[in-house]
Amino acid sequence: GAGVSQSPSNKVTEKGKDVELRCDPISGHTALYWYRQSLGQGLEFLIYFQGNSAPDKSGLPSDRFSAERTGGSVSTLTIQRTQQEDSAVYLCASSLVSRSSGNTIYFGEGSWLTVV
Amino acid sequence: DQQVKQNSPSLSVQEGRISILNCDYTNSMFDYFLWYKKYPAEGPTFLISISSIKDKNEDGRFTVFLNKSAKHLSLHIVPSQPGDSAVYFCAASAWGAQKLVFGQGTRLTINP
Repeated sequence: GAGVSQSPSNKVTEKGKDVELRCDPISGHTALYWYRQSLGQGLEFLIYFQGNSAPDKSGLPSDRFSAERTGGSVSTLTIQRTQQEDSAVYLCASSLVSRSSGNTIYFGEGSWLTVV
Repeated sequence: DQQVKQNSPSLSVQEGRISILNCDYTNSMFDYFLWYKKYPAEGPTFLISISSIKDKNEDGRFTVFLNKSAKHLSLHIVPSQPGDSAVYFCAASAWGAQKLVFGQGTRLTINP
């Protein structure tokens, strides 16, 4: 498809289990982002990848959260030992970063995570 | 530290009238601003953007206004339509920078 693709679209997991969320960015986009939105909250930045540069992990809420991007394309967000407060929609986005223009990012449909 | 603020969590407007959504920011390094629209159970979709060299950008029924001295931007939708009912997020970044900082969102409801 032409857009950002995320899987699974919905995930229910038991507290304490690990989960992996996958993102396939728009073809040709060099930058990839993970955001999350908890119920009633805004969009919270988690992590950013750009080319071969070291990722910006400044938004990850704890060391239970990690992400990787393989081959400059697909990314996986991993949450270890999930807690109920991790329940949220996890949104992946991508963009074609240019130093001569503003950065418009395009989101996927999100992965809805519920920890019970 | 909320660098981008949308102080109205909700707004209700009659169909056909103008909807005005507001956003304030605190970081003077921000010079690129965007509005996104989000329907339930969907990801946010890009709506319109503006750079700091402009004070207005228009796209069909949507116009974004930027007041740099006041660190304020607004989105005008005219005329408002029922399909405009959604949550609207404003976002900001420094020119050529990477991550966007988002506001908390405003839920717009258009009443028939």
